[in-house]
Order: sequence, then structure tokens, then C-alpha cells
Amino acid sequence: SQTIHQWPATLVQPVGSPLSLECTVEGTSNPNLYWYRQAAGRGLQLLFYSVGIGQISSEVPQNLSASRPQDRQFILSSKKLLLSDSGFYLCASSRDRLYGYTFGSGTRLTVV
Amino acid sequence: QKEVEQNSGPLSVPEGAIASLNCTYSDRGSQSFFWYRQYSGKSPELIMSIYSNGDKEDGRFTAQLNKASQYVSLLIRDSQPSDSATYLCAVIGIQGAQKLVFGQGTRLTINP
Repeated sequence: SQTIHQWPATLVQPVGSPLSLECTVEGTSNPNLYWYRQAAGRGLQLLFYSVGIGQISSEVPQNLSASRPQDRQFILSSKKLLLSDSGFYLCASSRDRLYGYTFGSGTRLTVV
Repeated sequence: QKEVEQNSGPLSVPEGAIASLNCTYSDRGSQSFFWYRQYSGKSPELIMSIYSNGDKEDGRFTAQLNKASQYVSLLIRDSQPSDSATYLCAVIGIQGAQKLVFGQGTRLTINP
């Protein structure tokens, strides 16, 4: 079964600072990878997805970017954080449409 | 129209009763349907998946799918206080990348 590692668990960053969140996947190869954000009391919003190394699709225009340098590594970045970037960031992996997604434990980001 | 809609609740159910959670979706071509449970501050965990019309039972949980009505439901029998959480309905459409679209979630409270 898949295991997704996300770190850090909690992060407090000042406005204008850079961001790098990393996600790695174990137990599968060539997964589809996803970054979601969940604002407080809200649903999950898909930010980026990747079907392979170097292939990134963005779902919404925003202050963030994503990269996939290796098959099982997915990185979420920002050059300058905004207050509105605060939220719970979740990395997810899927094998195929029959199995849904497996989620990492998430990173709670607070921009101050 | 939202792609996946749920009543945000909160839904309060007495311990031992049946909790009924509902979800509608807009993409008639959707093929895979999931229910996730999310405890406060935690990442979502998959509890049920369903792909064809009818009922699917797993322990105290039953998922129901009606593609003609574009309706998915989750029944929780013999509700326990530990079932108190937010329940997220999620749907994968027919397009590529297996993007999972989530509803806003229904907050369920089981009262002892």
C-alpha cells in the first residue's frame, strides 16, 4: 500500500517569505500526484496535479508553483507568501481511478 | 453549479441511531465515488468507494449510488461518538488525470 510523507507538519512564515513543501511517496511507482489546499472550515481545493516527472498542471491561478523532479517526489513552492496562502496543504497520490486517493498527513501553514 | 454538493451541516445524531449523509454531483459521466472521513486537524481517510448503482456495505457503513439521479449517500448504522467528524463526498469524472473533486463536507456530531 502507498505511504505519503509530508513535512513539516506545521509552519509559520512571514508575509513575503519563500515556501517549499515536500511530499514523497512510498509503495508505488509512477503515481499521479496532487496538491490540495483546505482553508479553515472549507472544502479541499485542487491546486496542482502531475501525471509524471516534470509534468505539472495548475488548476487555479495563484501565488504558488509545483515541481516533480523525481517519480515519487512532489514539491510545492512560493517565492513570496501572501496572507491568503494560509491553510492546510495536503499531498495525495493515486494509482488509478478505482482506488481513490491516499493523503499525506498535511502541513498547516500560517502566514503572518 | 458546484460539481459536488453536500449539506454542510452540522448534523447531530444520537448515539446508536443511523446517520444519513447525502451528496449530489453535476458531471453525469462520473465513474468513481468516494466517502472520506476527516477528523479535526487531520487529513482525510478513505472509508468507502462505490462504482455501480445500488448499495455497498462495509461493516457499519453503507454507500448508495444512483447515477440516474446523480446522487450518492452514506449511511452509518449504530452511530458512535467516534464517528463524529466531517464527511467528504468525492467524485472522479471521465477526464484524464483522475482528478478527485470534493464536496464541502458535512460535519457530523454523534451525541452520547
